[in-house]
Amino acid sequence: EAGVTQFPSHSVIEKGQTVTLRCDPISGHDNLYWYRRVMGKEIKFLLHFVKESKQDESGMPNNRFLAERTGGTYSTLKVQPAELEDSGVYFCASSYGGGGYEQYFGPGTRLTVT
Amino acid sequence: QKEVEQDPGPLSVPEGAIVSLNCTYSNSAFQYFMWYRQYSRKGPELLMYTYSSGNKEDGRFTAQVDKSSKYISLFIRDSQPSDSATYLCAMRYTGNQFYFGTGTSLTVIP
Repeated sequence: EAGVTQFPSHSVIEKGQTVTLRCDPISGHDNLYWYRRVMGKEIKFLLHFVKESKQDESGMPNNRFLAERTGGTYSTLKVQPAELEDSGVYFCASSYGGGGYEQYFGPGTRLTVT
Repeated sequence: QKEVEQDPGPLSVPEGAIVSLNCTYSNSAFQYFMWYRQYSRKGPELLMYTYSSGNKEDGRFTAQVDKSSKYISLFIRDSQPSDSATYLCAMRYTGNQFYFGTGTSLTVIP
């Protein structure tokens, strides 16, 4: 069974540019989560999809971040325009059911904003 | 105050040693407690989980939760060089978002 995949693995952009991160969850997982880890800090929740609907987006830092999940399959996270403080590792996770303890994480996308 | 506190280490032990990793938390509503292992440039991998208080053992790993003290632990017996990684505690209550500690970097020296 393929795990959670994320693309790209690394992105370097200049301040003010736009970047789109993609996450493909494990097949059959209705729940998809985005997290972010800023250097030196803990991994923090951004938002949660159930199928194509946003269930909880309380962790989204501001309106420069836009997450979508097309048809309840893959998800994209767009940052527009990017700021220096957006640098970090963005993780995607998925789970079959909501709640519980089993969230399977992807390898992350390392975003560097210069 | 952070929801979850975890000593970042780094922690370095000889092969075969018993390792103790710990987290404290402030929110008494947390119900699910997880330990993740993360190798360099990889995503976190679920290692152990515990619901509410108590102990859970899986091979060389034991997870403990003491809700009265708001303290969780992960013990690794007979540590191996392959255990060298960053260990993250995570917890959640009624919602679906996980709250993570900052992670403890562990190196097991052959």
